[in-house]
Amino acid sequence: KQEVTQIPAALSVPEGENLVLNCSFTDSAIYNLQWFRQDPGKGLTSLLLIQSSQREQTSGRLNASLDKSSGRSTLYIAASQPGDSATYLCAVRPQGGGADGLTFGKGTHLIIQP
Amino acid sequence: DAGVIQSPRHEVTEMGQEVTLRCKPISGHDYLFWYRQTMMRGLELLIYFNNNVPIDDSGMPEDRFSAKMPNASFSTLKIQPSEPRDSAVYFCASSLFQGPTQPQHFGDGTRLSIL
Repeated sequence: KQEVTQIPAALSVPEGENLVLNCSFTDSAIYNLQWFRQDPGKGLTSLLLIQSSQREQTSGRLNASLDKSSGRSTLYIAASQPGDSATYLCAVRPQGGGADGLTFGKGTHLIIQP
Repeated sequence: DAGVIQSPRHEVTEMGQEVTLRCKPISGHDYLFWYRQTMMRGLELLIYFNNNVPIDDSGMPEDRFSAKMPNASFSTLKIQPSEPRDSAVYFCASSLFQGPTQPQHFGDGTRLSIL
């Protein structure tokens, strides 16, 4: 059974710092990996999706990398801002027909101090 | 563009009552997913549909839970009878088709409290 772990569970840093969030998964047979952002009381916003054949994806100040063989992904946030404060969730979609739901980590709760 | 729409946003009811959660996926999307989020277990897949047909309901916790998708623009998740341990945030998500480039789009969720 696929398990997704996110480290750290919580992180508080001053504004302007670059930071890295980590995600690991136990089964490397994945179709893709998504990073989401969740604000309090809100749904999930998709930030980046990396296909299993890709190594990284970039969107603005965000960069996500994927090392499928080692079961790891990182989300790099450059020049952090208070508006980046949220919970960041990593999710993998397994390979194989009929198994199309995502398996989520429990998230990293990020606070950017002004 | 309208995203995934869920209703109600909040539901508070007493144990034993029937609860119905509703979801309208993004128009044209042919996959629909129901997830549940709790502090203890995080986000878990309950069931998903492809072209209105349930594909995998192995995540549905008990027979008290049922889900339907009568047409491409509407789905319901029903709990009968409800119990306090069903208290959670329930999310609906949809995607266009399940190719490797297609992300899942989530609604804002229904926060359910069973007293």
